[in-house]
Amino acid sequence: AQSVTQLGSHVSVSEGALVLLRCNYSSSVPPYLFWYVQYPNQGLQLLLKYTSAATLVKGINGFEAEFKKSETSFHLTKPSAHMSDAAEYFCAVTLNTGGFKTIFGAGTRLFVKA
Amino acid sequence: DADVTQTPRNRITKTGKRIMLECSQTKGHDRMYWYRQDPGLGLQLIYYSFDVKDINKGEISDGYSVSRQAQAKFSLSLESAIPNQTALYFCATSAGLAGPTDTQYFGPGTRLTVL
Repeated sequence: AQSVTQLGSHVSVSEGALVLLRCNYSSSVPPYLFWYVQYPNQGLQLLLKYTSAATLVKGINGFEAEFKKSETSFHLTKPSAHMSDAAEYFCAVTLNTGGFKTIFGAGTRLFVKA
Repeated sequence: DADVTQTPRNRITKTGKRIMLECSQTKGHDRMYWYRQDPGLGLQLIYYSFDVKDINKGEISDGYSVSRQAQAKFSLSLESAIPNQTALYFCATSAGLAGPTDTQYFGPGTRLTVL
């Protein structure tokens, strides 16, 4: 079975500091991994996705994630946090069940302090 | 205009009432989904539809039903609402062309409260 675990339900950083949001997956086959962001009172939108083309994936708003098979991880990073990054972030994995269903992690809420 | 719209945006209802949440999309996507979001649990899939004639149960379909009236419309019904169905509900769509790497596009959500 495939699943995804996000470590830390809340992360707080200062403006300008490194953002690191952790995601680990369990998968018996090559995974397809996503990060989505949910701003207050909005639906989710795609930040980036891993499609096996490259292990370092760059997304929107300066975010990137690195797929590490040996660590079964797909952590999200951004070198310098901005106040507008405050949101909830979801890691997700797609299951190859014939219909490619997506399983979402529990989410990590990012707080950015001035 | 938004590509994926949901109505109503907020709804308060009473236990036992029937309620319908509606979703419309202008993206021309074949695939549509209904999710439920609870704090600390992320999103859980209720139902999904890969085309008008194809409807499938997700992880938590008990107590819910759906109708795919057209490619652009996918409705979620609670036949007899109960308080533990209080949650934020999201509709999403995807093109279905990229296989497992398909991106999902979400509506703004409907906040449902069952008293």
